[in-house]
Amino acid sequence: QKEVEQNSGPLSVPEGAIASLNCTYSDRGSQSFFWYRQYSGKSPELIMSIYSNGDKEDGRFTAQLNKASQYVSLLIRDSQPSDSATYLCAVSSGGYQKVTFGTGTKLQVIP
Amino acid sequence: DAGVIQSPRHEVTEMGQEVTLRCKPISGHDYLFWYRQTMMRGLELLIYFNNNVPIDDSGMPEDRFSAKMPNASFSTLKIQPSEPRDSAVYFCASSRLMNTEAFFGQGTRLTVV
Repeated sequence: QKEVEQNSGPLSVPEGAIASLNCTYSDRGSQSFFWYRQYSGKSPELIMSIYSNGDKEDGRFTAQLNKASQYVSLLIRDSQPSDSATYLCAVSSGGYQKVTFGTGTKLQVIP
Repeated sequence: DAGVIQSPRHEVTEMGQEVTLRCKPISGHDYLFWYRQTMMRGLELLIYFNNNVPIDDSGMPEDRFSAKMPNASFSTLKIQPSEPRDSAVYFCASSRLMNTEAFFGQGTRLTVV
């Protein structure tokens, strides 16, 4: 089982819709969870970090964490074409809480 | 701060040659990470340093790969000898703490022919 799993997509949503991106992880001791966005040919950049169960909102973005189910998600409300990118889930694990990245979900927002 | 700076941006080399990738982290960041990204395997952590000391190099694929951090403002990743399967984008990233936001450099796209 991979440490961090994501559906590779592409996930296609119409402009203005809600995009839902999901991620599961294997280490129950994981403490830190991140969502990075990566545009094609560019480097990853942090969108959200979450450390405790529940929801965390920042503008159009909401991160949701459920440690019991080992599941973290990212919701993007009012999706825009500029949101089209690959979204990487990253989770810390192990004694040093080393961060491991999923392979990413490609999101396409259709105008 | 200018962010994490990597050089070169692109490198094309012949199989068997030595390749050196360079990174300048953000000042004040105690952690430095080297990642490799490919379509097949995604973003893989190769090695990370804390206060210039290598902490975990378990992601380094082979002995052909080595990394150093002689001071807080400079790190290198060396591949010797290089092979075509080493072709990938190599990212350097830095962070203040282990579990906080990592800031990535622009990456080095390596092509070994």
